[in-house]
Amino acid sequence: DVKVTQSSRYLVKRTGEKVFLECVQDMDHENMFWYRQDPGLGLRLIYFSYDVKMKEKGDIPEGYSVSREKKERFSLILESASTNQTSMYLCASGTSGSQRNEQFFGPGTRLTVL
Amino acid sequence: AQSVTQPDIHITVSEGASLELRCNYSYGATPYLFWYVQSPGQGLQLLLKYFSGDTLVQGIKGFEAEFKRSQSSFNLRKPSVHWSDAAEYFCAVGLKTSYDKVIFGPGTSLSVIP
Repeated sequence: DVKVTQSSRYLVKRTGEKVFLECVQDMDHENMFWYRQDPGLGLRLIYFSYDVKMKEKGDIPEGYSVSREKKERFSLILESASTNQTSMYLCASGTSGSQRNEQFFGPGTRLTVL
Repeated sequence: AQSVTQPDIHITVSEGASLELRCNYSYGATPYLFWYVQSPGQGLQLLLKYFSGDTLVQGIKGFEAEFKRSQSSFNLRKPSVHWSDAAEYFCAVGLKTSYDKVIFGPGTSLSVIP
């Protein structure tokens, strides 16, 4: 089974703090994604990566950055956390092969910024 | 612009009743189509997918979905709902671009009355 793990299930941070969310997948997938999930808005893509050290902005990249130093690991960074970044963050991975677009999700990190 | 619509924000059904969740999309070509389910506090799990071929696809947990090109729809159905089906359901469209992006609908929350 594909396994996508996220470093924390719940996280509470203060405004202005630098926040790191880690995601690891064990299926050698090329593509990795970070989404935020808010009620009524579904999932919105923050950043994605299609290869090591490669990254692309998604629909809402402002206030976020990412790092992908190894194929299995994709980190989301909030440089200076703000209260409007309180949300559920979901990491996903996928392959570009015959099952392209199919994504496998981690359990999510619920981040609260005070 | 590409988009996914799920007209029903919340649906309540009785256990044993049939279920249909609606999904419509806007895209210039025939996309890849997905339904995901999210149980409370969990990540998303793939229920079923359509890439090509037979427009009626079977998924896990007794779910099926039908792709109707003329209506740009991909509705999810289940003949008899179980209490454990209570969850959030997301329809998603996979874009045939080089980066395998997926657009998610806003979700439909399903409640099941015993």
